[in-house]
Amino acid sequence: AQSVAQPEDQVNVAEGNPLTVKCTYSVSGNPYLFWYVQYPNRGLQFLLKYITGDNLVKGSYGFEAEFNKSQTSFHLKKPSALVSDSALYFCAVRVVHYGSSNTGKLIFGQGTTLQVKP
Amino acid sequence: DGGITQSPKYLFRKEGQNVTLSCEQNLNHDAMYWYRQDPGQGLRLIYYSQIVNDFQKGDIAEGYSVSREKKESFPLTVTSAQKNPTAFYLCASGLGLAKRVGEQFFGPGTRLTVL
Repeated sequence: AQSVAQPEDQVNVAEGNPLTVKCTYSVSGNPYLFWYVQYPNRGLQFLLKYITGDNLVKGSYGFEAEFNKSQTSFHLKKPSALVSDSALYFCAVRVVHYGSSNTGKLIFGQGTTLQVKP
Repeated sequence: DGGITQSPKYLFRKEGQNVTLSCEQNLNHDAMYWYRQDPGQGLRLIYYSQIVNDFQKGDIAEGYSVSREKKESFPLTVTSAQKNPTAFYLCASGLGLAKRVGEQFFGPGTRLTVL
């Protein structure tokens, strides 16, 4: 079965320190990977995506993520965390099967709450 | 101002009632999606539509219905058959079947509470 795992329910980090939010995936076919952020009672905002090419992807608000095919991971990182980064983060994968229809469906992880303390 | 709108923001339903959640987009996207979000469970796909007048069940379609009569609109009806409808509902749109792979864009959500 295809799935996305975010092994940490919550990540706590001090402001100014680097942060990492982990994501691993299990799919057949070529994975296209996404990170979204959600603030309380709001929709999801797109942060970044990996489609192909450079394994290090840079996105919005200073976030970046590294695609690691051998470890089937796509961890979200930021060199220096801000209190305003505190939110719920979702990793998602879209599976593309060549030769069949691409529905655009995303599989989401369960989310990781990031808490940045001053 | 492009984007996705959902209404209402908050909705209260009595048991046995059907309610309809609105989702409109002006991004000219072919595909639209409905997700349900419960605490600690991430997002689960209810229904999706790739083109007008066509839609498919997602992972948790029981107790829900949709229509796609216009490209811009994808309303979701929560029927009385849905036993536990209290949740946060998110609508999204995207390129869908297009050869380009792009992200989905999300609306602000509707919080449904059963009284």
